[in-house]
Amino acid sequence: GAVVSQHPSRVICKSGTSVKIECRSLDFQATTMFWYRQFPKKSLMLMATSNEGSKATYEQGVEKDKFLINHASLTLSTLTVTSAHPEDSSFYICSATRTGDSGNTIYFGEGSWLTVV
Amino acid sequence: DAKTTQPPSMDCAEGRAANLPCNHSTISGNEYVYWYRQIHSQGPQYIIHGLKNNETNEMASLIITEDRKSSTLILPHATLRDTAVYYCIVRPLNSGGYQKVTFGTGTKLQVIP
Repeated sequence: GAVVSQHPSRVICKSGTSVKIECRSLDFQATTMFWYRQFPKKSLMLMATSNEGSKATYEQGVEKDKFLINHASLTLSTLTVTSAHPEDSSFYICSATRTGDSGNTIYFGEGSWLTVV
Repeated sequence: DAKTTQPPSMDCAEGRAANLPCNHSTISGNEYVYWYRQIHSQGPQYIIHGLKNNETNEMASLIITEDRKSSTLILPHATLRDTAVYYCIVRPLNSGGYQKVTFGTGTKLQVIP
């Protein structure tokens, strides 16, 4: 079963509005989560690192005021796309690391499709 | 993370073994090799990982060369549901939760009936 869950799986919003996507680690605590976006037929592009209790770290070229990240607890990170535009339409994916004896395995959420109309 | 190189695409007949190669010639001694796959419109799924010994689980086998500069993911009996993009990633051991992972372009495996 899934160990990292995203919600919603699909969302349609009007241009100019904001939309929030949640990422939860279901049976473990994650001090760090990551957010990716993916365009059709392209690889995943890392957007930012979400740190519990502190500010997110954004990759170069990613607007922090547009993609607000809040990591308020050890099991929840949220990505808010503010003032969404059609070019923000994409597949957004989060990940979290579960610490284990043989290394730290990264698990990914199911992804969230955002369509801005 | 060390850079990895994978062929962009491969075909495999249903029921046959699928062997997906990955080159990671700059891998460091403390880096694991991880494999993930992404089925269309889903998040990446963890498959297997290893350090230097060959590994096997219910999904696949991972063969790592002795010099650790390359590896092969083996799906022993490919099914149509194995059609996906497969990503090979290397990342440090005990990197904790803060080590970010960047993805290459992966290999698109097409299983043919």
